[in-house]
Amino acid sequence: NAGVTQTPKFQVLKTGQSMTLQCAQDMNHEYMSWYRQDPGMGLRLIHYSVGAGITDQGEVPNGYNVSRSTTEDFPLRLLSAAPSQTSVYFCASSLDRAAQYFGPGTRLTVL
Amino acid sequence: TQLLEQSPQFLSIQEGENLTVYCNSSSVFSSLQWYRQEPGEGPVLLVTVVTGGEVKKLKRLTFQFGDARKDSSLHITAAQTGDTGLYLCAGASAWVREAAGNKLTFGGGTRVLVKP
Repeated sequence: NAGVTQTPKFQVLKTGQSMTLQCAQDMNHEYMSWYRQDPGMGLRLIHYSVGAGITDQGEVPNGYNVSRSTTEDFPLRLLSAAPSQTSVYFCASSLDRAAQYFGPGTRLTVL
Repeated sequence: TQLLEQSPQFLSIQEGENLTVYCNSSSVFSSLQWYRQEPGEGPVLLVTVVTGGEVKKLKRLTFQFGDARKDSSLHITAAQTGDTGLYLCAGASAWVREAAGNKLTFGGGTRVLVKP
């Protein structure tokens, strides 16, 4: 099992560019989530999904879109990158209310 | 909005000393999890506490969930340099709709540095 994988590990964007952060899990978990981590603020939930075809907004959804066409994949799209979206992004998956398994993260810088 | 406050934000101690990290909220959580995060990696689950008043031990780490399920603490006995890292608490909502999505609210984290 690879667990939760994220690509890319690092990315630099210019303001206004769009991009997709990839996340995949091979544990057949129904629940998947995207978080961003900023210094001193812990992790904040962006979007989450309780199964294929079902997504919902988290605490800080503005500027981000998600889709869940399969159980395995949960990509996060930045529509028009802004400097405020400079952060470290983590994808996580979980089985029901069990532990969340996090990916290694994507470090994004928006200039 | 449910908030979790962790204290202290930063802790620097010598190897062999004890330390306690606190996680407090005015909200009730159905369960609370503690994670440790190393630089450049994602958080890794240490423990989940579910019952008010519950105490769990993981080698030199002791976790306690408050009676009212609003707060928790992590105590490390005889800290080692390998305990260095960012400790995060996360609460699972007690609200039915949010609980269905397995949404977690994270505290701001406590950065622990154990010096040799």
